Amino acid sequence: GAVVSQHPSWVICKSGTSVKIECRSLDFQATTMFWYRQFPKQSLMLMATSNEGSKATYEQGVEKDKFLINHASLTLSTLTVTSAHPEDSSFYICSARATGGPTGELFFGEGSRLTVL
Amino acid sequence: AQSVTQLDSQVPVFEEAPVELRCNYSSSVSVYLFWYVQYPNQGLQLLLKYLSGSTLVESINGFEAEFNKSQTSFHLRKPSVHISDTAEYFCAVSGNTGGFKTIFGAGTRLFVKA
Repeated sequence: GAVVSQHPSWVICKSGTSVKIECRSLDFQATTMFWYRQFPKQSLMLMATSNEGSKATYEQGVEKDKFLINHASLTLSTLTVTSAHPEDSSFYICSARATGGPTGELFFGEGSRLTVL
Repeated sequence: AQSVTQLDSQVPVFEEAPVELRCNYSSSVSVYLFWYVQYPNQGLQLLLKYLSGSTLVESINGFEAEFNKSQTSFHLRKPSVHISDTAEYFCAVSGNTGGFKTIFGAGTRLFVKA
């Protein structure tokens, strides 16, 4: 299957700093990328949907000013956690879809574990 | 709005025994249903999907799932599991609204014992 790479796989930062996570589709062009957050023993919670060249669509309850998403090209989307706090510590997962519409397979990155001290 | 409920958080089973992982969904529009699997230390990957047509869909490694519209279910089954099937299984739904987003269930951890 297609490959999605996420970087970094884990990061530790101090409270108040910002952290950027990258998501790249290595061998296909992703029309849409999704960012999920996963809490321990819980489901993947969709944070936002990102289409190349347009503003991300955030899910209800997700602070767009705190979780900045950029999808500047068909192969790269970034999630920046601004002014991170300990409650932002979590496992963040990106996924990418090559085709438009709801039927296409999602290809997932391996996730990024953020720990805010 | 769409939602997915996976009724079992963990399912322990002995090797070569059958298994069923349950999934129920709710949606006000036509849905497309997926099962994704996450093996230890790996990212999620598609196991199988239902888009249209035959309500019974199969994966290459022996899993099958049946779309039941009247019961709004998409349960995953395998007649004989292997140790290597130990993983987290996620049921997911997408539809023709809301930016075609995919919503996931909470996941079911399948643990196959020797």
